[in-house]
Amino acid sequence: QVQLQESGPGLVKPSEILSLTCSVSGGSISGQYWSWIRLPPGKGLEWIGNIYYSGSTNYNPSLKSRVTISVDTSKNQFSLKLSSVTAADTAVYYCARNLNGYYFDYWGQGTLVTVSS
Amino acid sequence: DVQVTQSPSTLSASVGNTVTITCRASQSIVDWLAWYQVKPGKAPKLLIYRASSLESGVPSRFSGSGSGTEFTLTISSLQPDDFATYYCQHYYNYPWTFGQGTKVEFK
Repeated sequence: QVQLQESGPGLVKPSEILSLTCSVSGGSISGQYWSWIRLPPGKGLEWIGNIYYSGSTNYNPSLKSRVTISVDTSKNQFSLKLSSVTAADTAVYYCARNLNGYYFDYWGQGTLVTVSS
Repeated sequence: DVQVTQSPSTLSASVGNTVTITCRASQSIVDWLAWYQVKPGKAPKLLIYRASSLESGVPSRFSGSGSGTEFTLTISSLQPDDFATYYCQHYYNYPWTFGQGTKVEFK
């Protein structure tokens, strides 16, 4: 059973960089796509972007200028960096697997990141 | 971008009821649509993929239908564990987008 776990700071200051890591267990990160998704309070889910295990990426155009997703196959992890954050970036951030590059079949439990000074 | 419009935003129901949630896409997405159940503090759960395929382990009271631009999720005989928020998501092309969500609450 594949399991995903998000980790990173729960509080980030405005204008700084939000950094999160997703650790994958119970299966290899190789051969699949992996995504970041967020859920702002009182709003709906938003897909941030994904990465193939080889390193190729796709980003949501609404965030593309501020997002970097990377992968470390040796650690079975992938990461998210979101720069120049504002209060609007406060959300629960989820990592998930895209089965064969399509829908999200495994998700992490999510981690709340608050942007505040 | 393909926009996905989900309705209703809130749905009040009782245990045993049958409920239906609708998603409409701004253009044909064939059957590239999935449905998820989201609860606070828990990992979201895939229910349906390819519009009507039931994910392994998901109870058969959940069913999906539709193609092109109109899709529905039906929950037959609602159970206490089903009170949650449900989202549709298209994966026809990038960027993938979700519907606005439907909160199923106790009547």
